Amino acid sequence: QVQLVESGGGVVQPGRSLRLSCAASGFTFNNYGMHWVRQAPGKGLEWVTVISYDASNKYYADSVKGRFTISRDNSKNTLYLQMNSLRAEDTAVYYCAKQYDDLNYFDYWGQGTLVTVSS
Amino acid sequence: EIVLTQSPATLSLSPGERATLSCRASQSVSSYLAWYQQKPGQAPRLLIYDASNRATGIPARFSGSGSGTDFTLTISSLEAEDFAVYYCQHRNNWLSFGGGTKVEIK
Repeated sequence: QVQLVESGGGVVQPGRSLRLSCAASGFTFNNYGMHWVRQAPGKGLEWVTVISYDASNKYYADSVKGRFTISRDNSKNTLYLQMNSLRAEDTAVYYCAKQYDDLNYFDYWGQGTLVTVSS
Repeated sequence: EIVLTQSPATLSLSPGERATLSCRASQSVSSYLAWYQQKPGQAPRLLIYDASNRATGIPARFSGSGSGTDFTLTISSLEAEDFAVYYCQHRNNWLSFGGGTKVEIK
């Protein structure tokens, strides 16, 4: 069965960096685009970024462009999110999500990892 | 940027009742709209994609309709496990979610 397991969250000071990982299993990872979606405490969902199956295309929400970088290692079935220059407003649960076929919907999600940006 | 507005913010209903949730887009998204269900402490679950197609394993009591700017998620008869928050999401040129509708027990 499909499993997505995020890790790397924690408490970090404003301006610092953090890298999240998402280990995928149960499907052919290198066939699918992958996304990061976040949810601030008590708030709604916000799409963050997407990477194509072969890493040739990457897109970012305006709120993170220039600060966050998505990447993947298809040999390790792992997705990453490098987050630099973190701000308080980046505090959220970060979910990795599998793209549904070639459509930009999300058919499988991880359990999420909490990132708290605070001094 | 396309903005999705969901209404109502909260829907108070009893088990067995029909739920009708609305999602309105600030400009046309064709039929490129999905619905998700999220329960407390859990990740969202895909219910409907491309406006009216049920995702794998989703019960028939969930149905979606609409195109262009106005979309509806209908739950024909609420069961206990359906009380949750529902989000719409479009994929027309970019990606964004609506603010959510909470379906609570009356």
